[in-house]
Amino acid sequence: QVQLVESGGGVVQPGGSLRLSCAASGFTFSSYGLSWVRQAPGKGLEWVALILSDGVNKYYADSVKGRFTISRDSSKNTLYLQMNSLRAEDTAVYYCARGPGYYDYMDVWGKGTTVTVSS
Amino acid sequence: EIVLTQSPGTLSLSPGDRATLSCRASQSVGSTYLAWYQQKPGQAPRLLIYGASSRATGIPDRFSGSGSGTDFSLTISRLEPEDFGVYYCQQYGSSSTFGQGTKVEIK
Repeated sequence: QVQLVESGGGVVQPGGSLRLSCAASGFTFSSYGLSWVRQAPGKGLEWVALILSDGVNKYYADSVKGRFTISRDSSKNTLYLQMNSLRAEDTAVYYCARGPGYYDYMDVWGKGTTVTVSS
Repeated sequence: EIVLTQSPGTLSLSPGDRATLSCRASQSVGSTYLAWYQQKPGQAPRLLIYGASSRATGIPDRFSGSGSGTDFSLTISRLEPEDFGVYYCQQYGSSSTFGQGTKVEIK
């Protein structure tokens, strides 16, 4: 079945780095845009980054621009989020989600992976 | 950035009641670039409505969406016990932003 599975979360010190992965299965990976969406503890949803199906066009929320990098590997059906210069306010559950195209609704979500930035 | 404001913050209703949730945008998002999601504690969001009024696959017809421009609504015609949770709207007409959520709780 269609599935997204995130991994790579953990505890990291402020200023540190972490790379999240999202393994996709059950659909044609190269045909869809993919996003990262996060949710801070007790808070709402925040869109973080989007990569289109071409793997070239990438978009970021202002809050992470210049610190986070989204990428994808079609040979591995995997989405990534490289997070550098992490701050306490980056603490959240990070979800990967599928969208049909450009900025779009998200019809498939993973269960999320937790990132905690703390000293 | 388009800001989405959802109201009310909390709806306290009983099973069988009708629920109407509002989502207002700070500027027009077009007629179709709005989605609604349901989230239950400890779970990922689930897509309910896209294109303002199209139900996602497997979503019961008691869920309906309407609106355009800056004012949108989600209606649940008769609340079932499994419908309680937090509902978010999302606009994708200009970048992507979410509303702050409306919690639907059992009265």
